[in-house]
Amino acid sequence: DARVTQTPRDKVTEMGQEVTMRCQPILGHNTVFWYRQTMMQGLELLAYFRNRAPLDDSGMPKDRFSAEMPDATLATLKIQPSEPRDSAVYFCASGLEAAGELFFGEGSRLTVL
Amino acid sequence: GIQVEQSPPDLILQEGANSTLRCNFSDSVNNLQWFHQNPWGQLINLFYIPSGTKQNGRLSATTVATERYSLLYISSSQTTDSGVYFCAVCTYSGAGSYQLTFGKGTKLSVIP
Repeated sequence: DARVTQTPRDKVTEMGQEVTMRCQPILGHNTVFWYRQTMMQGLELLAYFRNRAPLDDSGMPKDRFSAEMPDATLATLKIQPSEPRDSAVYFCASGLEAAGELFFGEGSRLTVL
Repeated sequence: GIQVEQSPPDLILQEGANSTLRCNFSDSVNNLQWFHQNPWGQLINLFYIPSGTKQNGRLSATTVATERYSLLYISSSQTTDSGVYFCAVCTYSGAGSYQLTFGKGTKLSVIP
């Protein structure tokens, strides 16, 4: 059963700490997206990779957020330092082609105190 | 950027009733997806439907791309259909990049 896997599922941390979220896309998919979901803003695009290259990270606060794909099976989203306003559910999604169907992981719920 | 509007924002149904959810978008799109976010927060793929009509059990969807809207039909609703239904459209954002833009969703509550 192919699916996008995200870790951790839940993370509680204190303001100022570094947070790293990981995503394993579906094997063979070459596009990876990071989204953030909050009650106020809904689902917002943070970053987009194709063939491991970052193509769009305009939705991401550059001063504290960074996204990478060290290899085809791993995407990471790092926040340093974290702030309470970063509290949200972070979703990773992968797809087989640039404008094709996307499949989402179960999300990482981040709480920054 | 493209605007995606979903209606109604909230819907309460008696179990067994039918419903239609609507998604309007402001520009041409490459594709369109419908998702169900269940009470546990999971985003479940319902339909990948750039145009035309598809059916999957009690659910069906129709996208009329030329008129910039899509409809999701739920028949004989069940309590397990409760959750938030999202419409998301894919557009080209330049330099080989695409993005999926979500509507704000329709929150469906099915009561026994």
